Amino acid sequence: NAGVTQTPKFQVLKTGQSMTLQCAQDMNHNSMYWYRQDPGMGLRLIYYSASEGTTDKGEVPNGYNVSRLNKREFSLRLESAAPSQTSVYFCASSGSGLPPGELFFGEGSRLTVL
Amino acid sequence: AQKITQTQPGMFVQEKEAVTLDCTYDTSDPSYGLFWYKQPSSGEMIFLIYQGSYDQQNATEGRYSLNFQKARKSANLVISASQLGDSAMYFCAMREPNSGGYQKVTFGIGTKLQVIP
Repeated sequence: NAGVTQTPKFQVLKTGQSMTLQCAQDMNHNSMYWYRQDPGMGLRLIYYSASEGTTDKGEVPNGYNVSRLNKREFSLRLESAAPSQTSVYFCASSGSGLPPGELFFGEGSRLTVL
Repeated sequence: AQKITQTQPGMFVQEKEAVTLDCTYDTSDPSYGLFWYKQPSSGEMIFLIYQGSYDQQNATEGRYSLNFQKARKSANLVISASQLGDSAMYFCAMREPNSGGYQKVTFGIGTKLQVIP
């Protein structure tokens, strides 16, 4: 059972470079999310997609864009990376099962921007 | 205002003892859910336990129980008989309806638990 798969697991960028984090889930979930985790700040929502074809901003969307390519895939793009975007990024999904709203997480992607 | 408050940055507990991790929340919606997730040093997020706002009884899952005090808006996690493998970061989270058509989940900043042999 793959669950939620995100790639890459590690990435080092220079300031100004761009990159895309990929996420795919095989649980037929409607909703997908991107969070970032920083020390002392917990997990903060960047963007979410309630269903295929829709995306919306979360708590900290600045500097990011997303694409819900299909029901399975939800990518996060950094167009011009900044050191403040150094973080661990988690993709998650949720479906209509119980408990409601339970998030299934990927393993995380550690991004360092120099 | 913070939606989820975890006031204990770090906790120590002796192996085999019980420990309580605090969590308070803030919402005006009558329908919500509360989660606890565990994050070991390997980094993955592991779902532990869930409590719905309408659930009459406190949730339990093995050695984990959720002490739900609705009037006080608290949802403390109790781990009984601590094991060395319980050493991890613990996050409290709240699900509440969102006008965007999805269940918004907000996390606290976490509590780092260390179990001492």
